[in-house]
Amino acid sequence: NAGVMQNPRHLVRRRGQEARLRCSPMKGHSHVYWYRQLPEEGLKFMVYLQKENIIDESGMPKERFSAEFPKEGPSILRIQQVVRGDSAAYFCASSPRSAGTGNTEAFFGQGTRLTVV
Amino acid sequence: GESVGLHLPTLSVQEGDNSIINCAYSNSASDYFIWYKQESGKGPQFIIDIRSNMDKRQGQRVTVLLNKTVKHLSLQIAATQPGDSAVYFCAESNAGGTSYGKLTFGQGTILTVHP
Repeated sequence: NAGVMQNPRHLVRRRGQEARLRCSPMKGHSHVYWYRQLPEEGLKFMVYLQKENIIDESGMPKERFSAEFPKEGPSILRIQQVVRGDSAAYFCASSPRSAGTGNTEAFFGQGTRLTVV
Repeated sequence: GESVGLHLPTLSVQEGDNSIINCAYSNSASDYFIWYKQESGKGPQFIIDIRSNMDKRQGQRVTVLLNKTVKHLSLQIAATQPGDSAVYFCAESNAGGTSYGKLTFGQGTILTVHP
């Protein structure tokens, strides 16, 4: 059973460009979460999605950031017109559909390290 | 706002010693707690979890203790090995049973194990 897959692992963008980060959850998981980690800091929640729905985007910046989890394909975190402050590691996690099955922990991918130059 | 934090940012131990990493949380509504290990350049790796209706849970070489009275969580690692060197994060959730994936993370503790 493959884990959470994120790509690319490293992404370099110039200021003003767009960054698209992809996340494929574990098989059977329909809950996806995106987190951002700045150097020397813990992970900060950004957004929680289920298939075709945004459940909680309370951690998303109001502008330039968007996320989707389509019916088919990976979840995408999109950052438009990137700025240097967007440089960080972005992690995706997934969890099972039902929280009552006993396996309720979130599994994380290896992250995408975005560098804005 | 409510947050999860750690008392000590760094911990150095000798190989074979027991390690204790502490965490304080402030959200009394939290019902699920997890410890993650993060090695350099990698994503967080699940270590052990505990629900709020428990005060202790043991895994392989690790034990998590939860004291809800003082809102304190700890991770004990027995016979610490060099491979345990990493950053350790506690995280909490209060999703009320719908999903435990939305987590609030603490700052992290750097554990260094000397051979």
